[in-house]
Amino acid sequence: DAKTTQPTSMDCAEGRAANLPCNHSTISGNEYVYWYRQIHSQGPQYIIHGLKNNETNEMASLIITEDRKSSTLILPHATLRDTAVYYCIVRSNFGNEKLTFGTGTRLTIIP
Amino acid sequence: DSGVTQTPKHLITATGQRVTLRCSPRSGDLSVYWYQQSLDQGLQFLIQYYNGEERAKGNILERFSAQQFPDLHSELNLSSLELGDSALYFCASSVVGRNTDTQYFGPGTRLTVL
Repeated sequence: DAKTTQPTSMDCAEGRAANLPCNHSTISGNEYVYWYRQIHSQGPQYIIHGLKNNETNEMASLIITEDRKSSTLILPHATLRDTAVYYCIVRSNFGNEKLTFGTGTRLTIIP
Repeated sequence: DSGVTQTPKHLITATGQRVTLRCSPRSGDLSVYWYQQSLDQGLQFLIQYYNGEERAKGNILERFSAQQFPDLHSELNLSSLELGDSALYFCASSVVGRNTDTQYFGPGTRLTVL
């Protein structure tokens, strides 16, 4: 699975959009981009995933660049409950189905 | 609530002991994954079962073993416990176990070895 690079930490004001970047410059054509978050020590929570098209669901939007070397997770109106560690994971569509977690981005929402 | 349940929530035991962690997957999910999260190692994949059979192994110690039962619940057995085994243990489940299946995580079991 391709390696990902994320900023260690970010702050965002409550009510504003939180934009979390992820670099995955070695991604290959059959690899998906997944985002999970972990609030305090709870179980990781699935947010969204995509292959090459932008995706949106009730939680967030995922913007993947045309060359697929990077992506951005957007939380449109951040709330205090969005404070968490956000993990960007690149996952192949064949082989071992495990998730490989990096160190993620610690997002703090400021009141 | 992901639909994945894990028991117990907390477990405190002594070195050398043996414990069993239990996981019930979401209804309809056939695949179960176990992950360990320690302070120094982050979230690491341990093992995966699919419909009762072991499918993949990760960084799982020989002192650890797992199984998935006919009702699809899974147990992770940790023996000869050491201080370094103190960690959060998460179970996740997915429908089939294909790479495109989303894994949903349970709330975890916090194991403390004294």
